[in-house]
Amino acid sequence: KAGVTQTPRYLIKTRGQQVTLSCSPISGHRSVSWYQQTPGQGLQFLFEYFSETQRNKGNFPGRFSGRQFSNSRSEMNVSTLELGDSALYLCASSYSGTGGDGYTFGSGTRLTVV
Amino acid sequence: GENVEQHPSTLSVQEGDSAVIKCTYSDSASNYFPWYKQELGKRPQLIIDIRSNVGEKKDQRIAVTLNKTAKHFSLHITETQPEDSAVYFCAAGGNQFYFGTGTSLTVIP
Repeated sequence: KAGVTQTPRYLIKTRGQQVTLSCSPISGHRSVSWYQQTPGQGLQFLFEYFSETQRNKGNFPGRFSGRQFSNSRSEMNVSTLELGDSALYLCASSYSGTGGDGYTFGSGTRLTVV
Repeated sequence: GENVEQHPSTLSVQEGDSAVIKCTYSDSASNYFPWYKQELGKRPQLIIDIRSNVGEKKDQRIAVTLNKTAKHFSLHITETQPEDSAVYFCAAGGNQFYFGTGTSLTVIP
């Protein structure tokens, strides 16, 4: 079956712009979580969506937002980009979001802010 | 919420030696403990997991142990090979999923 698909794979944006990233989960998965990964910082949790509702949220500023559609596809948006937002953004999907039920990562979107 | 600590942050071993990575968690409700391997430029991938009703699980050269009383779990890799070089993340899951900060493992040929 198809895996978790993230688009685009690479993105270059200018400081101050906004960006939207997309994540299509594995068919049947209702939970989508987003992570920011920078060198030496591990996986920083952004938020989790389940059945179109934000269920959990990490400690990121309001410039980071997301949503989930009825087909479970999710988007995250970053407004007013800063240089420090340059990172690999990973999404992960699963049936329930609690782990142990197919928690699978996408290949990520590498965002560079210049 | 949950707090997952992972040690060490970097680990270098000679090929053929064993490697051990340890994690501790704080939430007693956590009942699922997976380990992910992330090779350079790739996505994290599940390599082994353990549930709270099991103390140890083994899959070929890798094994995970869980001590629920002490709230810690460990990844053991035996007979390490250069292709084991990667970043390893532990995680703890209950009502929510939490990751450790990662361990960069280098296996020296």
